[in-house]
Order: sequence, then structure tokens, then C-alpha cells
Amino acid sequence: QVQLQESGPGLVKPSETLSLTCTVSGYSISSGFHWGWIRQPPGQGLEWIGSIYHTGSTYYKPSLKSRVTISVDTSKNQFSLKVSSVTAADTAVYYCARVPSAGQQPVRADYWGQGTLVTVSS
Amino acid sequence: QTVVTQEPSLTVSPGGTVTLTCASSTGAVTSGYHPNWFQQKAGQAPRALIYETSNRHSWTPARFSGSLLGGKAALTLSGVQPEDEAEYYCLLYYGGGAPVFGGGTKLTVL
Repeated sequence: QVQLQESGPGLVKPSETLSLTCTVSGYSISSGFHWGWIRQPPGQGLEWIGSIYHTGSTYYKPSLKSRVTISVDTSKNQFSLKVSSVTAADTAVYYCARVPSAGQQPVRADYWGQGTLVTVSS
Repeated sequence: QTVVTQEPSLTVSPGGTVTLTCASSTGAVTSGYHPNWFQQKAGQAPRALIYETSNRHSWTPARFSGSLLGGKAALTLSGVQPEDEAEYYCLLYYGGGAPVFGGGTKLTVL
């Protein structure tokens, strides 16, 4: 059974970098699939952030691309998210997910983590 | 900027049938947009329900079905149960590496 678990600081100061890690169990990241991040501001809808293919290729939402980096550590079966220069608008529950693809493009999410709340505040 | 539109809210009676839709600002939704549907109950992570327009995951009850209807992606719930009360999100892929979520439909079972 595929399971994902987010971890990282719950509070980040404005202008600093938000860093989260997703630990995957029940499936080897290096075996395939994209691995992605999705966020949800309090009381709002879902926003796709980006994903990384098991080969290391990355795909980001265009409006976030300049501030987002997703990386993978296959030795630890983990992948990570960094969002730089954060503001209050980056306050959200952040979810990691397994992302099946179509023609190597990330088209959906099937298994999700439980999510972790990150608050941007001084 | 591409916008995916869902009904903000719908109400259905227990045992009834309801259809939620997902429209694209670019025109008719086709299978090429790889329509997906997710259910999110209060305080929980989203759960995938339907992928590639009409395919159920192994955990998705048979009362949930997906289709294309009138140029939109559609999610139909038949024989609605009280536990189906939730927010439902659709997801469409336009290329460019990042799919786009709809704004969500709050389904009330009353």
C-alpha cells in the first residue's frame, strides 16, 4: 500500500524559504511515476504546484516556477519542495502525492499524504 | 489564464441522484484533458475518485461515475449516502506540466 507523509516546519517567516519533505513508503520512487506537491490555502480550493518525474525532470505551475524547486532523493525514498521568498499568500496546507502520467506528462494524483499546514508569519 | 469552473454548491436528498460538472474556459472538455475527480471531506486530505474521465479507483464506490456531458466533464452520484457530503474537485490537464483544479463544489446531503 502506497503511503506518503509530509514533514517540515509549520511556521516560516516572510521572505524566507519554505522547505518540506515527503517520505514515501510501499513504493520505490525510482520505479516510476511523477511525485508532486499540491497546496490549499485555509478555506480555499486546491492549487497544483508542480511535480518531479522519477528520472529527475521537473514540471512547475508557470506562475510559481520562479520560486519553486522540487527535488528527489531516491536513496531515502523522499522528495522535497522549496518555495522561496514566501509571503502570507503562501500560507496553506501542503500535500504531497503520487502523480501518474500520460505520455510522461503529469496528469493526475492518486495517492495523497495527509497534508501539513505551513503558516507564513513573523 | 485558464479557468476551470464548477458549481459552487449543490444539494441532494439521501438516495437521490446528482450530477456535478466541470467546464473549461478554453471550450469543450474532451478526454484529452484527462478529467479527474476528487472528494474532500471536512478536515481531511482529498481522495481520488475518478481518473481519465470515467475510471474508478479500486476504492471508489460504484455509485460514483464519471462522463463527458454537454462539453463538460461530469461526476454523477447515484443513490447518494449521507457520507457523500463533501467538497468535490475536478482536475484538467492542458499541457505545460501542471494540471488545473476547478474551484470545487460543496455537496450537501439533506
